[in-house]
Amino acid sequence: GIQVEQSPPDLILQEGANSTLRCNFSDSVNNLQWFHQNPWGQLINLFYIPSGTKQNGRLSATTVATERYSLLYISSSQTTDSGVYFCAVGGYNFNKFYFGSGTKLNVKP
Amino acid sequence: SAVISQKPSRDICQRGTSLTIQCQVDSQVTMMFWYRQQPGQSLTLIATANQGSEATYESGFVIDKFPISRPNLTFSTLTVSNMSPEDSSIYLCSVDLAAYNEQFFGPGTRLTVL
Repeated sequence: GIQVEQSPPDLILQEGANSTLRCNFSDSVNNLQWFHQNPWGQLINLFYIPSGTKQNGRLSATTVATERYSLLYISSSQTTDSGVYFCAVGGYNFNKFYFGSGTKLNVKP
Repeated sequence: SAVISQKPSRDICQRGTSLTIQCQVDSQVTMMFWYRQQPGQSLTLIATANQGSEATYESGFVIDKFPISRPNLTFSTLTVSNMSPEDSSIYLCSVDLAAYNEQFFGPGTRLTVL
């Protein structure tokens, strides 16, 4: 299967700081998504981004498919941004979706 | 997007018993997926459920332990059988929407086995 590596595993920020989360993957992908898992366990879709750049408010993401990595940018972080951020990819045989190990973010007031 | 509901949202069960988790989607979807998330871990795919055929299980998961039903295009169940404390996890169902090529997840079922 496709290997997905996320870094850093843990991140502590002061409110208002910016951060970059990274996702590396081992093969060509047809799907790449970023999720935020809130403290109640709900997975929130942030971006569907197999290539290119997207922005949504304070969040943006960039995927460079030829180099097999994706970046999630969080600007002006807020305490509500705390939680675990997962990157997940799907290959061209879209029967499987591979998750990275996640980045646990703690934003302190 | 898709609206996905799961029942129950959480449960506490005794070892040796079984629990059936339901997943309902507000639109017809071809493929539904069941995941397990053990405490502090990432998500692991248990199986893929297609309507009208048997589920396809990932390595390490077997039908006797995790039987799955998929009676129609909007509904699926996952049963966790003969539970042990090691089965304590969040169980999530997801669907992929062909029009979006994007996966959406249900709210999860938080299971504790004593």
